[in-house]
Amino acid sequence: QVELQESGPGLVKPSGTLSLTCAVSGGSISSTYWWSWVRQPPGKGLEWIGEIYHSGATNYNPSLKSRVTMSLDKSNNYFSLRLNSVTAADTAVYYCARGVLGSSSALWDYWGQGTLVTVSS
Amino acid sequence: EIVLTQSPATLSLSPGERATLSCRASQRVRYFAWYQQKPGQAPRLLMSDAFNRATGIPARFSGSGSGTDFTLTISSLEPEDFAVYYCQQRSNWLYTFGQGTKLEIK
Repeated sequence: QVELQESGPGLVKPSGTLSLTCAVSGGSISSTYWWSWVRQPPGKGLEWIGEIYHSGATNYNPSLKSRVTMSLDKSNNYFSLRLNSVTAADTAVYYCARGVLGSSSALWDYWGQGTLVTVSS
Repeated sequence: EIVLTQSPATLSLSPGERATLSCRASQRVRYFAWYQQKPGQAPRLLMSDAFNRATGIPARFSGSGSGTDFTLTISSLEPEDFAVYYCQQRSNWLYTFGQGTKLEIK
């Protein structure tokens, strides 16, 4: 059974950098999946942030691309998100998820439980 | 960017009733999925490819549609089905979600 677990600071100051990691267990991060971050502001809908493949290839949401960096650590089986120059609008629950991209499918089949990150001084 | 519009925003029904949720795309969609989200939980994959139930999803859930119009149907609502439902698509290396339909108990 694949499990994903987010970790990182729950509070970030405005103009600072949000840094989260997602530990993957029950499967290898080097397998043929895309590893994604999705966020959800309190009481609002879902927004895809970006994804990374085991090769290191990345795709980012154009709305966040200038502020986002994703990376992965194959030896420790986790991937990471960095979002810089944060504002209150970046306050959200951040989810990591395993992405399946095939000839007819583009979806997330496993999700972490989510971690709330608040941007506030 | 493809915009997904879900309707209705809120659907009030009773257990045992049939629920029909819609999702309309601003352009033709190639990849499409449905998710269910309960309070305090991560989204859960319901349907892939618009009509294939994900592992462990009961048969009362069904999906249909193609192109720009998609439907999620729950044939007979169980108490655990009351939640928020999101549609999702991927196109040109960008994923977008609908704004969600809240299915609430009447």
